[in-house]
Amino acid sequence: AQSVSQHNHHVILSEAASLELGCNYSYGGTVNLFWYVQYPGQHLQLLLKYFSGDPLVKGIKGFEAEFIKSKFSFNLRKPSVQWSDTAEYFCAVNARDNTDKLIFGTGTRLQVFP
Amino acid sequence: KAGVTQTPRYLIKTRGQQVTLSCSPISGHRSVSWYQQTPGQGLQFLFEYFSETQRNKGNFPGRFSGRQFSNSRSEMNVSTLELGDSALYLCASSLEFRRKRNEQFFGPGTRLTVL
Repeated sequence: AQSVSQHNHHVILSEAASLELGCNYSYGGTVNLFWYVQYPGQHLQLLLKYFSGDPLVKGIKGFEAEFIKSKFSFNLRKPSVQWSDTAEYFCAVNARDNTDKLIFGTGTRLQVFP
Repeated sequence: KAGVTQTPRYLIKTRGQQVTLSCSPISGHRSVSWYQQTPGQGLQFLFEYFSETQRNKGNFPGRFSGRQFSNSRSEMNVSTLELGDSALYLCASSLEFRRKRNEQFFGPGTRLTVL
């Protein structure tokens, strides 16, 4: 069965620190990859997406992610986090077979302290 | 452009009752998916609809059902509610079904509490 693993469940950083959140998936075929963010009290928002082409994708608010096909990974990065980045981050995969369903990782709770 | 809207936002029911949740997709979007979010199980796919047809269903019991109308609006129904059905139910819409570069946009969710 397809699955998505996010290895970091809870990350605590100080402002200006660099961030990298891991995401690995299990599926041998073609995939679409996403990172969603859920700020406290708000709904899921799309942070960035990968469909094809350049494996390094840039999203909103200075986030980027790199797709490494050989490692089945799609890690999220930000060089310098801000207090406003405090949120829960979800990696999601769509296996491009006969469905648009997203399979989500368990999420990573990020807390940034000033 | 208005986002995905879900009604009601909050709902409290008792065990054994049934509930209907509603979702209006972004204007022009024709595909709707539903997800359940709980602290223990995370985000899990319920079902997806396109052209008034259920295209796929997740691993949930038959008590969970849904439908889509000709205007792309969707409803989901849970019958004989159980305590474990307490969750945030999220609706997501996308332009088409199985489009190569499909993005799903999520609504704010309906928070269902079963007592």
